[in-house]
Amino acid sequence: DAKTTQPPSMDCAEGRAANLPCNHSTISGNEYVYWYRQIHSQGPQYIIHGLKNNETNEMASLIITEDRKSSTLILPHATLRDTAVYYCIAHNYGQNFVFGPGTRLSVLP
Amino acid sequence: EAGVAQSPRYKIIEKRQSVAFWCNPISGHATLYWYQQILGQGPKLLIQFQNNGVVDDSQLPKDRFSAERLKGVDSTLKIQPAKLEDSAVYLCASSLVAGRRTEAFFGQGTRLTVV
Repeated sequence: DAKTTQPPSMDCAEGRAANLPCNHSTISGNEYVYWYRQIHSQGPQYIIHGLKNNETNEMASLIITEDRKSSTLILPHATLRDTAVYYCIAHNYGQNFVFGPGTRLSVLP
Repeated sequence: EAGVAQSPRYKIIEKRQSVAFWCNPISGHATLYWYQQILGQGPKLLIQFQNNGVVDDSQLPKDRFSAERLKGVDSTLKIQPAKLEDSAVYLCASSLVAGRRTEAFFGQGTRLTVV
């Protein structure tokens, strides 16, 4: 079973920031927080990952709380193409990625 | 860099028939995964290979599903015989284990419909 919980769906206005929350209260010390997204009819796409510190790349920012029990994925300026299912995964080195149902993000014009 | 290649893209078969899916991972990626994704759900791991050895096949229905990764590169997943509940998208992914960067790269998947 997935070790993370996410809201089933969220809406966001185009051009605004999308903030996707994830709870992982049972995450272990050596597990990373990974985010993937899946656009309709495509395979999941890697977005970003982190252990303790906040991370930023060209796609998104990842904010991890100090106690590591939750995190937030931030898409700074959402576009219609960001409409997808977003998965938050607690992943340990060398193991497989355990996907939950994710959050279905709808970016509205 | 070429991505993970999967074929066929779509397949329709009758129940009790056999089917095989093929995956070519990203060059140099030692780890290969097969996932099953039923409509409306997240992907579920079927089997994980490290080179040509099996790391995890605990969720593979071994009475009908089999997978191999000869020479530690390409992989095939077979279902024999297929059931209606096997209708799903079958995703292949690969990852390069380098330090702590182990993100998996996914193919587009094979959509199987069993009628």
